[in-house]
Amino acid sequence: DAKTTQPNSMESNEEEPVHLPCNHSTISGTDYIHWYRQLPSQGPEYVIHGLTSNVNNRMASLAIAEDRKSSTLILHRATLRDAAVYYCILVRFGNEKLTFGTGTRLTIIP
Amino acid sequence: ETGVTQTPRHLVMGMTNKKSLKCEQHLGHNAMYWYKQSAKKPLELMFVYNFKEQTENNSVPSRFSPECPNSSHLFLHLHTLQPEDSALYLCASSSGQGMAGDGYTFGSGTRLTVV
Repeated sequence: DAKTTQPNSMESNEEEPVHLPCNHSTISGTDYIHWYRQLPSQGPEYVIHGLTSNVNNRMASLAIAEDRKSSTLILHRATLRDAAVYYCILVRFGNEKLTFGTGTRLTIIP
Repeated sequence: ETGVTQTPRHLVMGMTNKKSLKCEQHLGHNAMYWYKQSAKKPLELMFVYNFKEQTENNSVPSRFSPECPNSSHLFLHLHTLQPEDSALYLCASSSGQGMAGDGYTFGSGTRLTVV
């Protein structure tokens, strides 16, 4: 399975945008880029996913590099409730298996 | 509520006990999963079920025994566990269509403590 690399931790101020990076240099053409987050004492929660084009939904935006070797999850205006561990995961077409890494622990500073 | 319900939320059991964890979803999903999350470690995939059939067992010890009677229910039967099995056990479901464009829905987990 293709791997992803994320910073262990990041901090951001409340009400400011947050850009969470992910590197996936060995991504294959049939790998989707998925993002999940895990709030304290809860199971992971789906955030967003994409294949080639940038994607927006009510939670976040996903910016995918043209060569697809990296992506960035964008939280447009962070709140304290966005403090969580964020996981960037590659999911291959035909195989829905989710393999989690260590993710990025996002701390929001009031 | 996420649509995936796990019971109980907390469980304390002795090493000689037998207990079961239950997971239920009514999202119309056909794939269900058990994950284990130990302290300070990534989530580990334990078992995968697609259309009630087990399709993956990631070298899980036999003291963990999954059961999937239908696409909506998944159980994890526990017996003679060890203290190192204490962890958060998470259930998830997905469409099972292999489209890779669908997200997983996770339950809130069962916090298991083995004493």
